[in-house]
Formats: sequence, C-alpha cells, structure tokens
Amino acid sequence: EPEVTQTPSHQVTQMGQEVILRCVPISNHLYFYWYRQILGQKVEFLVSFYNNEISEKSEIFDDQFSVERPDGSNFTLKIRSTKLEDSAMYFCASRQGAEVPLFFGPGTRLTVT
Amino acid sequence: KQEVTQIPAALSVPEGENLVLNCSFTDSAIYNLQWFRQDPGKGLTSLLLIQSSQREQTSGRLNASLDKSSGRSTLYIAASQPGDSATYLCAVRLFSGSARQLTFGSGTQLTVLP
Repeated sequence: EPEVTQTPSHQVTQMGQEVILRCVPISNHLYFYWYRQILGQKVEFLVSFYNNEISEKSEIFDDQFSVERPDGSNFTLKIRSTKLEDSAMYFCASRQGAEVPLFFGPGTRLTVT
Repeated sequence: KQEVTQIPAALSVPEGENLVLNCSFTDSAIYNLQWFRQDPGKGLTSLLLIQSSQREQTSGRLNASLDKSSGRSTLYIAASQPGDSATYLCAVRLFSGSARQLTFGSGTQLTVLP
C-alpha cells in the first residue's frame, strides 16, 4: 500500500541553524500539508500546498518557515533559524482529492538544543 | 475558531470490552471528520472518514458516527484487543473554501489490558 515517507526520522540541531525536513507524498496525491505536534500537545496545522503554491498557512508558519516541491516527488519544509520552541514532531501529509482521507507520514522528530 | 474536545483523555479497559470514544466540536459547519490512531512516537494512521452528509462509517470492529447538529462524533470499538492500545484522535475540517486544514482534538489514550 502506498504511504507517505519522511526523512530523517530524528534530527538534532543547534539553535539558530537551518534544517530541512523531507517528505515524499503518495505519488498521485495533489494536496500536501505539514503539521507539527509539540510533546504532549495537539497536532497543529502549519501549511497546505496545492498546485505548486501555498494555499493556506497558520500563524505558526512565519517567515522562518518555507516549503518547496523541488521536483515531482519531494516536498520539503525548511526552518531558517531554529528556536528551542521549534522542537516537535513534524508530520507531512497528503491527499488525493477534496473528499478523501488525509494520509500522514511517520514524522520527523526535531530537537533543537 | 473551531475547538475540538475529546473525552475521556485516557481510558483503560479489559480485553473484550466494547467501548466508545467521544469527540465534540464547536462549529457544526464541518466538511468532514476523520478519526486517527497514533501509536507512541509514531505517525497518524487514518481509521475512518465521515463526510458531513453521512451519519456513520464502519471498518471492521470500528464504527464512527457523526451528529453535526449537536457537534458530536463517537468512535465505537467492538471486542477490544490489546493491539488496540493507542491514542485516538479526531479531527474536523470546516466547510469553507479556504479552510483545507484539519483541527485536531487532544486525543483519548486507550489501554486495553490482556
């Protein structure tokens, strides 16, 4: 069964460093998302991406964040200058259309020290 | 702003019991509602998706119902097994052209004792 994959599974970085989290959505999906979950808290929406552009973003997704779909398969989230409070599990998700389930990847655990 | 609440926060049951997990949401103008399972340190696995026009969905031992007018959904698990132990999350998507994201509840942590 097709699945969303994410790399790395765990990333440790120092405050102020740039990180890129990578995702490969399911191949025939058209809508792509990033969510995050800080330990012990709810899963929160960051950004949605459709037709090669951001369709919606939350207040969390400030200028330090960017997303890119550099080719037909990868979808990346970049954090330019990480802060301690960026430590969280970051989930990539994709869906094929409007009325179908959203499928999540296994997540990347980001630890900022 | 849509708020999603799940009760109880944690539940422990002996194997074989039938159980119900609850989800409530404040804005009844939803597009759909999705139930997920999350194992510790893992991603989210989609269990059931209910469209706003539907009343329930079933998959194996799982049955999810939706009552939009009262802002509630339930996930019924029949004949629970230790392998069902996980956190169960519900998430709603608003009926809005611009709102494509899901709003999540905080989850119910289920433990099924052998």
